[in-house]
Amino acid sequence: NAGVMQNPRHLVRRRGQEARLRCSPMKGHSHVYWYRQLPEEGLKFMVYLQKENIIDESGMPKERFSAEFPKEGPSILRIQQVVRGDSAAYFCASSPPSNTEAFFGQGTRLTVV
Amino acid sequence: RKEVEQDPGPFNVPEGATVAFNCTYSNSASQSFFWYRQDCRKEPKLLMSVYSSGNEDGRFTAQLNRASQYISLLIRDSKLSDSATYLCVLSNFGNEKLTFGTGTRLTIIP
Repeated sequence: NAGVMQNPRHLVRRRGQEARLRCSPMKGHSHVYWYRQLPEEGLKFMVYLQKENIIDESGMPKERFSAEFPKEGPSILRIQQVVRGDSAAYFCASSPPSNTEAFFGQGTRLTVV
Repeated sequence: RKEVEQDPGPFNVPEGATVAFNCTYSNSASQSFFWYRQDCRKEPKLLMSVYSSGNEDGRFTAQLNRASQYISLLIRDSKLSDSATYLCVLSNFGNEKLTFGTGTRLTIIP
């Protein structure tokens, strides 16, 4: 059973471009969470999704950021018109319906130049 | 006031020693508590959940004091492989919307 898979591992974007980060949860996991870790800071919750539903997006910036978890395929975190301040490590985690333990992917390190 | 406060360290501890970390939290509605470890530039990994009765897993012991709103982690007989950043984590329910501390950096010295 593969772990939580995130891709790409590293992503470089110029200011104003779009960034798409993908997360495939562990098999059997229906809950997906996205977190952001700025340099020298703790992880900050962004959004919690279940299949085709956004459950809690209270940590998402109001503009430029969106997330989805379609019926088929990975969860996508999309950042439009990236700015330097978006440079961070973005971690995805998944948990089973019983919500026992959340497993984290290896993260996507986004660098905006 | 931060939701979760941890001493950032670094703690430089000789191999074989015992080391303890504390963490305080401000949200009295928090229900679930965890310690995670994060190696440099890697993902966080669950070390152990923390219960009011206290719990032990090998060399690791975690305690929760709800009245004083703090959590502790004790590592006995420390190994070089224990070198990492230890994250205090809590939530209002299960694994939903985890709140992370900024972590305590531990280095075990041979």
